[in-house]
Amino acid sequence: DGGITQSPKYLFRKEGQNVTLSCEQNLNHDAMYWYRQDPGQGLRLIYYSQIVNDFQKGDIAEGYSVSREKKESFPLTVTSAQKNPTAFYLCASSIVGRSAEAFFGQGTRLTVV
Amino acid sequence: GESVGLHLPTLSVQEGDNSIINCAYSNSASDYFIWYKQESGKGPQFIIDIRSNMDKRQGQRVTVLLNKTVKHLSLQIAATQPGDSAVYFCAERGNNRLAFGKGNQVVVIP
Repeated sequence: DGGITQSPKYLFRKEGQNVTLSCEQNLNHDAMYWYRQDPGQGLRLIYYSQIVNDFQKGDIAEGYSVSREKKESFPLTVTSAQKNPTAFYLCASSIVGRSAEAFFGQGTRLTVV
Repeated sequence: GESVGLHLPTLSVQEGDNSIINCAYSNSASDYFIWYKQESGKGPQFIIDIRSNMDKRQGQRVTVLLNKTVKHLSLQIAATQPGDSAVYFCAERGNNRLAFGKGNQVVVIP
């Protein structure tokens, strides 16, 4: 079945550590996105990529980094520079130019302990 | 995911009644609007969309209304069922990027 998979579902990180969230899709989509979701908030765009080896900052990119070495994969690293990393992280993919028709993963809940 | 509903406006609706969820958007240049449903602990799922040159679109048990004059979007769910309990987000597309609203929690009372 085609889809978008995020792992792990739950992740715990100690303060000062970097951590990488995985996102894989087999939908043959060129565009991929990372969003952050906090209680009572809408989704906020962290980074997005429309083609392999290229990505753009979203609205809240500080403290995060991404790579896009393969079309299927768009991992997100939450660095120690991110001051408030505890959140629910959502990855999505879409056909380029049709960002509104985005398919979302099931999310990763990151907690800093 | 599981805590996304906290602090959100909440609509409590009796099973079988109709639900109306409202959303105000900000960008008058947005060309496309979408409603997503997010169940606890899961990612958002597409429900229905509407282009800016339309004012109404119907799906299965759902209708989206767009009023560009006042930049308002609404989602109507007919005969609400327990499985409709979720957080509902509207999103607008402008400059080929999606901007999401904060969401509305819908609680269906059996």
